[in-house]
Amino acid sequence: ILNVEQSPQSLHVQEGDSTNFTCSFPSSNFYALHWYRWETAKSPEALFVMTLNGDEKKKGRISATLNTKEGYSYLYIKGSQPEDSATYLCAWLYNNNDMRFGAGTRLTVKP
Amino acid sequence: DGGITQSPKYLFRKEGQNVTLSCEQNLNHDAMYWYRQDPGQGLRLIYYSQIVNDFQKGDIAEGYSVSREKKESFPLTVTSAQKNPTAFYLCASKPGPLTEQFFGPGTRLTVL
Repeated sequence: ILNVEQSPQSLHVQEGDSTNFTCSFPSSNFYALHWYRWETAKSPEALFVMTLNGDEKKKGRISATLNTKEGYSYLYIKGSQPEDSATYLCAWLYNNNDMRFGAGTRLTVKP
Repeated sequence: DGGITQSPKYLFRKEGQNVTLSCEQNLNHDAMYWYRQDPGQGLRLIYYSQIVNDFQKGDIAEGYSVSREKKESFPLTVTSAQKNPTAFYLCASKPGPLTEQFFGPGTRLTVL
């Protein structure tokens, strides 16, 4: 079964806290790992597309790492702000066309 | 503005009726996708199309049909054969292999 697991399912943090969450995927047949941010009432938007083992990507206060050999990726948010509140989805691309999404981590940042 | 549009935002259907969800993009992307989301689950792929006049079944294609007559348009028909059609449906497109997907705003379908 080609499952992608995300943990935790939901997370509440205080403004200014740093946080991280995990995406686990099968370590075989790896093509790419995507991270998306999905705010309520909006469309999911891509944060990162990661393809190489050991990749680290950064966009502002958000960064991600990738370990394809053990099948996990971490997403980090430094100094969380209320506008970071969203569901963060990861998706594992296991061939040119097929992608499997995790159920997401729902982050709430309290002011 | 370039983007993906889906209509309608909310759709109600009586049991036993077919319904078609619209997805249009002006990004000039070749590949287009339809996903379904249910509470507590990840997005699940229904159908995808890599090029005009060609499409492939995803993980949960049963009870759905699509067409790709134009590059810009990838409508999804939810047929009466779909056992549990009430869900949130997302359309996406992407410009090429290993690139990010661009998503529409979604359609929430409720079967009464």
